[in-house]
Amino acid sequence: GAGVSQSPSNKVTEKGKDVELRCDPISGHTALYWYRQRLGQGLEFLIYFQGNSAPDKSGLPSDRFSAERTGESVSTLTIQRTQQEDSAVYLCASSLDFRQETQYFGPGTRLLVL
Amino acid sequence: LAKTTQPISMDSYEGQEVNITCSHNNIATNDYITWYQQFPSQGPRFIIQGYKTKVTNEVASLFIPADRKSSTLSLPRVSLSDTAVYYCLVHYSSASKIIFGSGTRLSIRP
Repeated sequence: GAGVSQSPSNKVTEKGKDVELRCDPISGHTALYWYRQRLGQGLEFLIYFQGNSAPDKSGLPSDRFSAERTGESVSTLTIQRTQQEDSAVYLCASSLDFRQETQYFGPGTRLLVL
Repeated sequence: LAKTTQPISMDSYEGQEVNITCSHNNIATNDYITWYQQFPSQGPRFIIQGYKTKVTNEVASLFIPADRKSSTLSLPRVSLSDTAVYYCLVHYSSASKIIFGSGTRLSIRP
């Protein structure tokens, strides 16, 4: 497909387990972004990649959160030792590059931590 | 401290023009302003982007005053399908930060 894809679409896990969320950006997009959106809340910026480099990781909520990206392709957001407050929709977006370009969003991964 | 602020909610009626204002008082010379629309259970969708003065496309206009400390998204002749949450985003390029506003929940009534 031509859009940003994310997997899984839904994830239910138990508190304390680790989860991996995947994002496949639009082909040719060098910038990739991760956001968190809690139920009924706005968008919280987590991290962005320009290529496989992440210049600013300060948006990650805690050291349990990490992200990596392979080249200018797929990215994985990992949450270790999940907590109930991690329950949210995790949105990924990509753009041609980081400079003032339109971001195209994926459908999100809905994470529920029991 | 960079911050992007917008009203929590707005109501209007079909056929009216709706203006949503966002304040971004720490915006720098090279920073752009972008607006997104989000429907329930979907990712945000690009509406319009601007740098200064006025930008218009087929769905909206964006007005940015000379000091660029605020911007106004204008939706002409809204319909029920425009009911959504609208987010203002400032791309603070020098700080490599992206800050979304908290979103404005727009409700359109018949």
